[in-house]
Formats: sequence, C-alpha cells, structure tokens
Amino acid sequence: EDQVTQSPEALRLQEGESSSLNCSYTVSGLRGLFWYRQDPGKGPEFLFTLYSAGEEKEKERLKATLTKKESFLHITAPKPEDSATYLCAVQVEGTSGSRLTFGEGTQLTVNP
Amino acid sequence: EPEVTQTPSHQVTQMGQEVILRCVPISNHLYFYWYRQILGQKVEFLVSFYNNEISEKSEIFDDQFSVERPDGSNFTLKIRSTKLEDSAMYFCASSYLAGGSFGPGTRLLVL
Repeated sequence: EDQVTQSPEALRLQEGESSSLNCSYTVSGLRGLFWYRQDPGKGPEFLFTLYSAGEEKEKERLKATLTKKESFLHITAPKPEDSATYLCAVQVEGTSGSRLTFGEGTQLTVNP
Repeated sequence: EPEVTQTPSHQVTQMGQEVILRCVPISNHLYFYWYRQILGQKVEFLVSFYNNEISEKSEIFDDQFSVERPDGSNFTLKIRSTKLEDSAMYFCASSYLAGGSFGPGTRLLVL
C-alpha cells in the first residue's frame, strides 16, 4: 500500500529561523511528488511538483528537493505569513486516474 | 489566473437527505476530482473523472456517491442518504495532466 508520512506534525519557528519539513514515501513507482500549502478552512494551494530524484524547485523562501525515498521542503528566513499546514502528496505509476495520496501534513507556525 | 470554484461554501443537512455539491473546474483541464477532508484528518481521494467517465475511485466512493458532468462546465458530487460521518470538507480539483488545482471546498455538516 502506498504511504506518505510527514514530519514533524507541528513546527514552531521564530521569524527568520530557517528549517526543513520532511515527507517520506513508500510507493510502488513514483510518478510525481507534490507540495501544497493549506490555510485553515481553505483548499490546498499548489506549490511544487517534483518528478525525479535530485530535482529541486524554488519559490520565494521555499525550496523543495526530492530523493528516492523522501522530499524536503526547506523554508529560508520564514515570515509570519508562511504559517500554514504544508501537505505532501504522491502520484503513483500505474493508476489510471492520476489520484493524489496525501500525508497528514506539517502545521507550521512562524512567530514574529 | 483561472480558479476552480465550488458551491455552496457551506451545507447543513439532516441525516438521510441527499446533497449535491457543485464545482466548476478550470476550463482547459482534462481530469476532474473529488477529495474530502474530515476535520483534523488528511485529505482523502474519492474519485477521478476523465473523458466523461469515472477513471478511478477509492474504497470510500461506494454506491452512496455519484458524480456527473451535466454540461461542459459543471462537475457535481451527489451524496445520497447522508450519514453523520459524511460531515467533512469536500474539495473539487482539476488538472490538465498531473496533480490538481483545488477549489475552496464545501463544508458539509450532517445533523
């Protein structure tokens, strides 16, 4: 069974304190790994897609990296507006409908 | 930038009633999805729809659920005979190939 595990469950940072969120996955074959941001009561907002080990993508203070077993979302000098739940999801080879399997998420709080 | 829209934003219903959740996906997207998120839990896949038919469904998506694309723009999720445990946020998503752009969700409360 495909599994996605995110850690930590919750993370509190001071403004400017860089850190990383982890997403480890066990799948039969990875088609793509996705990072989303979710604010309370809202839908997931797309951040990045990674397709192969060694790939990196950046957007403002966020950088996502991918290995064969896990992905990291690095947050550099975070600001309070980066506070949200960050979701990792995988799309698996061999599925006909392009479904996403999500992890539980990491709830990030950035204090001013 | 085009967005997925969903109506209603909130729906309260009595147990046993039928509800229809509506979505307008992004116009040039090919895949349409419904996901749900029970409060405090992870986002769960329900069903995907491609080329006017269901392409994949989860074990959650049983005979109580159905989807339809009644015209060229709308995508609906019907839940028959609602149960208390159907209370959740329901998200519609659409994609051209992989992943998905998500709508803002419909919060369904079954009393």
